[in-house]
Amino acid sequence: NAGVMQNPRHLVRRRGQEARLRCSPVKGHSHVYWYRQLPEEGLKFMVYLQKENIIDESGMPKERFSAEFPKEGPSILRIQQVVRGDSAAYFCASSPSRVGTGKDVLHFGNGTRLTVT
Amino acid sequence: GDSVTQMEGPVTLSEEAFLTINCTYTATGYPSLFWYVQYPGEGLQLLLKATKADDKGSNKGFEATYRKETTSFHLEKGSVQVSDSAVYFCALRYSGNTGKLIFGQGTTLQVKP
Repeated sequence: NAGVMQNPRHLVRRRGQEARLRCSPVKGHSHVYWYRQLPEEGLKFMVYLQKENIIDESGMPKERFSAEFPKEGPSILRIQQVVRGDSAAYFCASSPSRVGTGKDVLHFGNGTRLTVT
Repeated sequence: GDSVTQMEGPVTLSEEAFLTINCTYTATGYPSLFWYVQYPGEGLQLLLKATKADDKGSNKGFEATYRKETTSFHLEKGSVQVSDSAVYFCALRYSGNTGKLIFGQGTTLQVKP
């Protein structure tokens, strides 16, 4: 069984460009979470999605950031007009069901390391 | 607001030494508590968890006990190995929540042969 797959592993963008980060959850998992890890800091929650729905986006910056999890295909985290402060590791996690139901272990991918030059 | 505080690293130990990584939390209600481990270049892996007061989580020789009276969830291992070198994150989550974890800043452990 493949785990959570994220690509690319490393992404370099110039200021003002767009960054697209992809996440394929564990097969059969319908819940996806995105977290951001800034240098020397812990992970910060960004957004929680189910298939075709955003459930909680309380950790997403109000501008330039968006996320989707379509019926078919991977979840995408999109950052428009990137700035240097967006440089970070972005981690995706998935779970088979809503957490709190007893099947609530989050499976993390290896992350995408975004560098904005 | 809710938060998790871990002892600062790096923690450097010799092989077979005893490990303690302190973790305290601030939260209303009764969160679940977790320890995650991150090996170099990888994502986080769940190490252990505890869902209520006085629960002890354990895995791979690591243990942590949910102490409501001291709001702590310290990670311990009796004899560390070089392969335990990694970054360890303490985290909390409310039961019934959306899976939003609040992480500490992480503690780097370096074990020398």
